Amino acid sequence: GAVVSQHPSWVICKSGTSVKIECRSLDFQATTMFWYRQFPKQSLMLMATSNEGSKATYEQGVEKDKFLINHASLTLSTLTVTSAHPEDSSFYICSARDIVFEYQETQYFGPGTRLLVL
Amino acid sequence: AQKITQTQPGMFVQEKEAVTLDCTYDTSDPSYGLFWYKQPSSGEMIFLIYQGSYDQQNATEGRYSLNFQKARKSANLVISASQLGDSAMYFCAMREPLYGGATNKLIFGTGTLLAVQP
Repeated sequence: GAVVSQHPSWVICKSGTSVKIECRSLDFQATTMFWYRQFPKQSLMLMATSNEGSKATYEQGVEKDKFLINHASLTLSTLTVTSAHPEDSSFYICSARDIVFEYQETQYFGPGTRLLVL
Repeated sequence: AQKITQTQPGMFVQEKEAVTLDCTYDTSDPSYGLFWYKQPSSGEMIFLIYQGSYDQQNATEGRYSLNFQKARKSANLVISASQLGDSAMYFCAMREPLYGGATNKLIFGTGTLLAVQP
């Protein structure tokens, strides 16, 4: 299957600092990428949809000024957590949409980034 | 309203036996896609199998098969000949509509934790 990478795999930062997470599709072009957040022992919650060349679409309740998304190219989307606080500590995981053929598409996930804000 | 329901929070299965993980869904759209993902303790989301709402046959991928019962709105995952490495969290997800649209986001169930015993 298609490969999606994320960097960094984990990060610890101090409260108030900003953290950037990169998501790359390695062997396919992804016009759409998705950012999810997962708290311990919970399911994935979609935060936003990242569209190449346009603004991201945020889910209800997600602060767009806090979670900045930039989809700079067909293979790269970045999520910046601005002024991170301890409650932002979570597992952030991205996915990239690969269209197999007209009626089938699959989302392939990156390995995730564990963020710990102290 | 919750659209994806996984009623089994956890399950045990003996190595080499088959196991069925339940998933029911709710949608009013005739075009949709159903996915199963595996999440081991490392956190990565691994795509297992896909079923389109218009697919005539149940999807199969190696030891994984999807028991798709459209009238019942169920999409159970069957793992045959369980292996110790199958121990993980399994998520059922739905995407609607099947194709088209700017954001074909996935909605995840709460997951089922499978433990394979030797």
